[in-house]
Formats: sequence, structure tokens, C-alpha cells
Amino acid sequence: AQSVTQLGSHVSVSEGALVLLRCNYSSSVPPYLFWYVQYPNQGLQLLLKYTSAATLVKGINGFEAEFKKSETSFHLTKPSAHMSDAAEYFCAVSDRITGGGNKLTFGTGTQLKVEL
Amino acid sequence: GAGVSQSPRYKVTKRGQDVALRCDPISGHVSLYWYRQALGQGPEFLTYFNYEAQQDKSGLPNDRFSAERPEGSISTLTIQRTEQRDSAMYRCASSRQPRSWTDRSYEQYFGPGTRLTVT
Repeated sequence: AQSVTQLGSHVSVSEGALVLLRCNYSSSVPPYLFWYVQYPNQGLQLLLKYTSAATLVKGINGFEAEFKKSETSFHLTKPSAHMSDAAEYFCAVSDRITGGGNKLTFGTGTQLKVEL
Repeated sequence: GAGVSQSPRYKVTKRGQDVALRCDPISGHVSLYWYRQALGQGPEFLTYFNYEAQQDKSGLPNDRFSAERPEGSISTLTIQRTEQRDSAMYRCASSRQPRSWTDRSYEQYFGPGTRLTVT
């Protein structure tokens, strides 16, 4: 079974500073990887996804992630943090399941705090 | 357009009672998933529907949990004889039909969830 590990349950950055949220995966097949963001009282929203087309993936709100097979990593970055980026971020890997579905296996999440 | 909706948003129930949680997916989405998210954890897969057929229920923790999607649209997750350990956020997600059998890239759209508290 595939899995992801997110290092750091809480990350705090200053507004304008670089954001780096770490995700490492374990997979016996080429992985399909996702980053979701969860704002309070809202559903999970897709930030970006890696589907083997390009190793550097750009997403919404200025976020991007780079797939590194040699490091089994898919870290999420943003050059300059904004107060509105404060949220919980989840890395996930897609697994094929019975009947044509794809279940997502999530990491434990990283709470991002942005300080003035 | 409208996203995935779930009701109720909050449910407090006493131990031993049955609860039913509803999910209304995005119109036209044939795939529907249920996940459970404990506090401080990521969502965990419970079950999957393709149209009205429940294709995978490997994540349901025990036989107190069941789900249905009789007309291939709205789905209900039912928990019988609730226990305190059932307290969690229950999330529903829907997605389009995969382009191919090997397609694992399509996005799942999540609803806001139902916060269940069993007292």
C-alpha cells in the first residue's frame, strides 16, 4: 500500500517569508501525488497534483511542488507567505481500488501559521 | 456551480443512537467517496460508490457502519448504535468518471463535512 509522511505538524513563518511544507511518499508504483488545503469550516481544496507529466508542478495561490524520485519527496513551497495562507495542508497519494475508483491516502497534515 | 454539500454540518448524539449523514455530490459526478477524519489526522477512506454500486467498503471500521447511494446521486452514511470512538469529521467527496482504467489523476471535490460528536 502507498503512504505519505508529512514532517512537522506545525510550521510557523513570517509574512513574506518562504513557505516549505514537507511530504515524503512510499510507493511501489509510480505515484500520483496531491496537495490539499483545508481552511476552517470548509472542505478540502486541491492546491496541485503530480501526474508524471512534469516534475515541477504549479498550483493555485502561488504554490508549487517538485517531485523528486531520488528523495521520494513532494515538498510544497511558496516564495512569499501571505496571512491568508494560514490553514492546514495535507499531502496525499492516490491508490487504485475496486471498481475503478481511486482512494486518497493522506498524511497527518501540517498546520501553517503566518505571523506579522 | 454548486459544490459538494453535506448535512447536517454538526450532529451531537447520545451513545447508542443511530445517525444518518447525507452527502449531495456535484451534479454529474459518478464517483462518490466517504472519508473519516479524526482530530489531528488526515482523512481516512471509508467507502466508494461508482454510480449506485458500492464498489469498495474496505475502510468501514465494522458492521455498524453502512452506506448507500440508491439512485446514483445522494448518498447516506449510517452509523448504528453509535459509540464515543465514532466521534470525528465525516467527509464526502465526488469526482468525474475516470478517462481510463489506469487514470489515477482526477481530482476529488470535498464537501465541508459533518462533525459528529457522540456523548
